[in-house]
Parts: sequence; C-alpha cells; structure tokens
Amino acid sequence: DAGVTQSPTHLIKTRGQQVTLRCSPKSGHDTVSWYQQALGQGPQFIFQYYEEEERQRGNFPDRFSGHQFPNYSSELNVNALLLGDSALYLCASSLNRALNQPQHFGDGTRLSIL
Amino acid sequence: GESVGLHLPTLSVQEGDNSIINCAYSNSASDYFIWYKQESGKGPQFIIDIRSNMDKRQGQRVTVLLNKTVKHLSLQIAATQPGDSAVYFCAEKTRTGGSYIPTFGRGTSLIVHP
Repeated sequence: DAGVTQSPTHLIKTRGQQVTLRCSPKSGHDTVSWYQQALGQGPQFIFQYYEEEERQRGNFPDRFSGHQFPNYSSELNVNALLLGDSALYLCASSLNRALNQPQHFGDGTRLSIL
Repeated sequence: GESVGLHLPTLSVQEGDNSIINCAYSNSASDYFIWYKQESGKGPQFIIDIRSNMDKRQGQRVTVLLNKTVKHLSLQIAATQPGDSAVYFCAEKTRTGGSYIPTFGRGTSLIVHP
C-alpha cells in the first residue's frame, strides 16, 4: 500500500520562474493539503483540496495555486518565484476533512531558488 | 517546548531514559491535537493524537497529556532509543470553515545518546 508520494524530490529554480510540484495521495484518501516548511520551522498550511476544489487556504499569496484531479492526485503551482520561496514543500493526504483523521505526509519536494 | 529565537529547542537524553517534550498551543477552541515525528530528509510521521475532551492517551511507548487550563500539551517517550532521534512537532486542529486545519508549532529536536 503506497503512502503519499511526491515528485520531484529536489528542484532548483531561479527567481521569476514558475514551478509545478506533484502529489499522489495515500490509497483510499480523498483530501490533499499542501504545506511549506522553511528550515528550522514547522509546516505552514498553504491550502487544502477536496472534491477537486480548494476548500481552505492559508496565508499565502495568489502566486501559489493548485489543482486536484479526479484520481485525487494534486499539483502545487508557484509563479514568479522569490528567494523566500526556498523551502521543503509537503503534501499530506487524509480521508475527508473530518476532525479526527490524521494526515499522512509525503517526504516533500526540496525547492531551492537561486 | 515552543520556540524562542532562531534555534530549534533541543532535548538531549541518554538511551533508556524517559523523554518529555512540551508544547504550548495558542487556540483555546482547538478540538484535536497531534504529535508528529520528523526524521532528517523525511516528512512528518503521525505518532499519537488526542481529542480536547480527553486529558491523557497512551500508545506504544508514548503518552500524550493535555492540560487545557494552561493550553499545554506534552509527549512522553518511555525508554528512549537512538531511533527516536528526530524533530517532534505538536499540531492543533481548529475548525475553519468546513475543515479542520492543523497549525504546527516550531518543533523540538530530540537527540538520544547511546
């Protein structure tokens, strides 16, 4: 039973470029959340997708957008990259948006902006 | 415990000792609390959770205590092993719109010396 898988594992971009990160949720899960984790910090919530729609959003600018596909996989897009976007981007999946459903995390995509 | 300054709080213990990691949460309306373990190069891994109507929950070698009066959460690890070395995050879940979105603390680094 595959867990949450993310691709790519590492990525290097330059300022102003655009990037797309991908996530496949754990089998049986239908909800995907994305987080940004800066070095030495806890994960910060970006947004959550359920039923192919963005249901909740954290305090991130519109440069951050996403998509969920019918098979529940998801993409995170970041436009006009800034140096401060360098971080580990984590995807987490769960079964629906209920309270007591722990999220399962992937190992993340390490994004470096030069 | 919760972070101050730029450096991650660190707890160093000897193998076989019991470890206690503390966390102060911010929202008295939070309904659900989770502890995650994050090893280097990996995503956060679920350890144990507790609902706000409980004050203690035990798992295998781990116990979570919740004190809602002072908004304090702790994770106790019995007979700590070198494999327990990691960064530990507490997260609180609060209902936001139709979803329960977790808010993570900065984390505590646990170092277990053999």
